[in-house]
Amino acid sequence: AQSVAQPEDQVNVAEGNPLTVKCTYSVSGNPYLFWYVQYPNRGLQFLLKYITGDNLVKGSYGFEAEFNKSQTSFHLKKPSALVSDSALYFCAVRDRGSQGNLIFGKGTKLSVKP
Amino acid sequence: ETGVTQTPRHLVMGMTNKKSLKCEQHLGHNAMYWYKQSAKKPLELMFVYNFKEQTENNSVPSRFSPECPNSSHLFLHLHTLQPEDSALYLCASSQLASGGYTDTQYFGPGTRLTVL
Repeated sequence: AQSVAQPEDQVNVAEGNPLTVKCTYSVSGNPYLFWYVQYPNRGLQFLLKYITGDNLVKGSYGFEAEFNKSQTSFHLKKPSALVSDSALYFCAVRDRGSQGNLIFGKGTKLSVKP
Repeated sequence: ETGVTQTPRHLVMGMTNKKSLKCEQHLGHNAMYWYKQSAKKPLELMFVYNFKEQTENNSVPSRFSPECPNSSHLFLHLHTLQPEDSALYLCASSQLASGGYTDTQYFGPGTRLTVL
């Protein structure tokens, strides 16, 4: 069965420090992988996606993610965190063989303190 | 978020009421989705419409009734809801291409529903 795991409920980072939000997945075949961010009382905003090609994907607001096939991971990273990055982050995966429906992780709350 | 709009943003209803949630996408997409987001739970896919045809109903209770009159509009009709149906209801859209590949889903801001 397809699944996505975000092992951390919350990640705390000091402003200016690098941040990592972890995501691992389990799908049959090669996956399409996505990261979304949700600010309070808002919908999900698309950050970046991996379809094929370079394992390092760059997205919005300075975020990037690295696809690691052997570890089935797609961790979200940013070199220098901002207080405004504080939000809920969701990893999602779609099996290339499926209709396109996404499987979402439960989300990780990122808190960046000044 | 102007690509996908949802109304109302907040809704409080009693268990005997009937109400509808509306979603409109301005992105030219041909697939639309309803999700339920409850506290402490992963996002739950409720319904999927591709080219206005419902292609997925994830065991959603019949008190939730979707309607997709055209590729730009999606409704969720609600009746005799339960307090546990209180949640954020999110609409999303994407482009379904040939071969079944769907591109990135774009989400609306959601409707915060409270059932008393």
